[in-house]
Amino acid sequence: AQSVAQPEDQVNVAEGNPLTVKCTYSVSGNPYLFWYVQYPNRGLQFLLKYITGDNLVKGSYGFEAEFNKSQTSFHLKKPSALVSDSALYFCAVRDMDTGRRALTFGSGTRLQVQP
Amino acid sequence: DADVTQTPRNRITKTGKRIMLECSQTKGHDRMYWYRQDPGLGLRLIYYSFDVKDINKGEISDGYSVSRQAQAKFSLSLESAIPNQTALYFCATSDTGYTEAFFGQGTRLTVV
Repeated sequence: AQSVAQPEDQVNVAEGNPLTVKCTYSVSGNPYLFWYVQYPNRGLQFLLKYITGDNLVKGSYGFEAEFNKSQTSFHLKKPSALVSDSALYFCAVRDMDTGRRALTFGSGTRLQVQP
Repeated sequence: DADVTQTPRNRITKTGKRIMLECSQTKGHDRMYWYRQDPGLGLRLIYYSFDVKDINKGEISDGYSVSRQAQAKFSLSLESAIPNQTALYFCATSDTGYTEAFFGQGTRLTVV
């Protein structure tokens, strides 16, 4: 089975400060990991993914994420938050060794960036 | 035009009615998915299809059925709608198992 946990329902950060949105995963094999963002009344937009290679992955809008196999984590980060980053963020996983699986999503974390 | 189009965008229906949500894509992807979003629960997989003849149940398929009419079209039906099926429904597509999925704008369904 594959699963994702996003332990924080909401993260509050001041504009200009660094932000971290946490994600841990569980798969029986090796993971494909993804971050998506959802703005109000919109679908999900892809931010970044980890497939293999460098543990630090850079994505859209200045976001990055660090894959940590020993901690089974894939935290989303940004050095300097913007008010426009306020949205709902989802982490997702697929077990690499089970090609017929669909993505499994976490419950989402609402990021609120205060001016 | 959007790559993944869902119709309708909003729908209110009565308990017991049959309703169909439609999804079409211009990405040329083989894989298509239906997810349901509820507050605090994230996205949960209802059904997925890896090609026209390959339909698979997801984690919450009870009360739902799907039809893959063509590579580009994947419809979700609620045979007899009930209030706890009130949710935001998303269709998505992907090319392979390791590429990202592309989502439609969602269908907000309310069952009264």
